[in-house]
Amino acid sequence: ETGVTQTPRHLVMGMTNKKSLKCEQHLGHNAMYWYKQSAKKPLELMFVYNFKEQTENNSVPSRFSPECPNSSHLFLHLHTLQPEDSALYLCASSQDGGGSGDTQYFGPGTRLTVL
Amino acid sequence: GQSLEQPSEVTAVEGAIVQINCTYQTSGFYGLSWYQQHDGGAPTFLSYNALDGLEETGRFSSFLSRSDSYGYLLLQELQMKDSASYFCAVRDSNSGYALNFGKGTSLLVTP
Repeated sequence: ETGVTQTPRHLVMGMTNKKSLKCEQHLGHNAMYWYKQSAKKPLELMFVYNFKEQTENNSVPSRFSPECPNSSHLFLHLHTLQPEDSALYLCASSQDGGGSGDTQYFGPGTRLTVL
Repeated sequence: GQSLEQPSEVTAVEGAIVQINCTYQTSGFYGLSWYQQHDGGAPTFLSYNALDGLEETGRFSSFLSRSDSYGYLLLQELQMKDSASYFCAVRDSNSGYALNFGKGTSLLVTP
């Protein structure tokens, strides 16, 4: 257990569905991240929130919409996804999002399949 | 832009030593991190090097040469449970405070 939880762990959705992924960290960190991990590809950074403010949006399509209501919770809202969006979505947190040795702690991920 | 290169696969025998190399191209380099990920699991932090030299943590060591834009992860006394993917990652001024990961090296430890 890393102190970062994600729900659901598995999600199957159709292209017209709307769903949300949830991430919660119990570490008192101030920065939270969404990554996408596809087979045979490196982890791709999607969004960064530092002290609840979005500081990075890595050219992610608008069908992915993040929300960070407080420093402990992060959501990823999904709508009209494509089959190529099927991947493992990982949430991570770190202490302050800026320290040079800032270690990131990852949640177990949500395995998303888009039909 | 930036890029990280690491071997895609490495196989080694239980009890042996293996070195996983990582070369990077980036700007405003802050440091090099290593993460381990078992199949179906989350990446977990192994080590971080900001300065040149070797950092040792138990059976794992990590090395950095900033002048060569190169680092490696050294795993000693390999155990079967070390079979996993190992990612190097850099934090630099272009990525703000986030990490950019290499494609990962899949390590298989055989009996």
